[in-house]
Amino acid sequence: IVLTQSPGTLSLSPGERATLSCRASQSVSGSYLAWYQQKPGQAPRLLIYDASSRATGIPDRFSGSGSGTDFTLTISRLEPEDFAVYYCQQYGSSPGTFGQGTKVEIK
Amino acid sequence: EVQLLESGGGLVQPGGSLRLSCAASGFTFINYAMSWVRQAPGKGLEWVSGISGGAGSTFYADSLKGRFTISRDNSKNTLYLRMNSLRAEDTAIYYCAKHLGYGVITPQELWGQGTLVTVSS
Repeated sequence: IVLTQSPGTLSLSPGERATLSCRASQSVSGSYLAWYQQKPGQAPRLLIYDASSRATGIPDRFSGSGSGTDFTLTISRLEPEDFAVYYCQQYGSSPGTFGQGTKVEIK
Repeated sequence: EVQLLESGGGLVQPGGSLRLSCAASGFTFINYAMSWVRQAPGKGLEWVSGISGGAGSTFYADSLKGRFTISRDNSKNTLYLRMNSLRAEDTAIYYCAKHLGYGVITPQELWGQGTLVTVSS
């Protein structure tokens, strides 16, 4: 399964809403779709799994939605620490594939 | 504290071999699937291989074509990745990751800080 993320880069200001898209080349089994955040020099961090469940300790400004082939990560109001690269991943079919990433940068 | 600590990375010549290790602590290791995920310099994430909690099931990225072998020693709380016939394109940071559950059909909940593998003559 190939995952395509859009846009490649999102330029926004703190306090704005961010909407990131992840489209799969075929239906993702069981909505087994996760979102990760990665900051420079750091390991990725799990944000969302099963398309819409927040991981432990993740603030509620992060939310996930979607099913089938179209999924969305929404950050309701960007905080300074949210500027990073975000990856989606499907883990319902082996191999588990990642999207190419969306960079959220400060405008 | 839940922790994953990778080791074994370094500089290796093309065609060479390397074994990565990941020491886990702070959780019941056998209860969780584990994976290796790599990231080439300046690039995105690529899932490499995964193994179920009891080591009964292993999975690999198609692109590896049998060059890599994942294993785990549940008595030592350690995950391994044996890499053979290394190529320049295998140069990357290799992350060890703990899954959310016993099977690999779960997301990677916790990641180590990674170990750098450089394949170059």
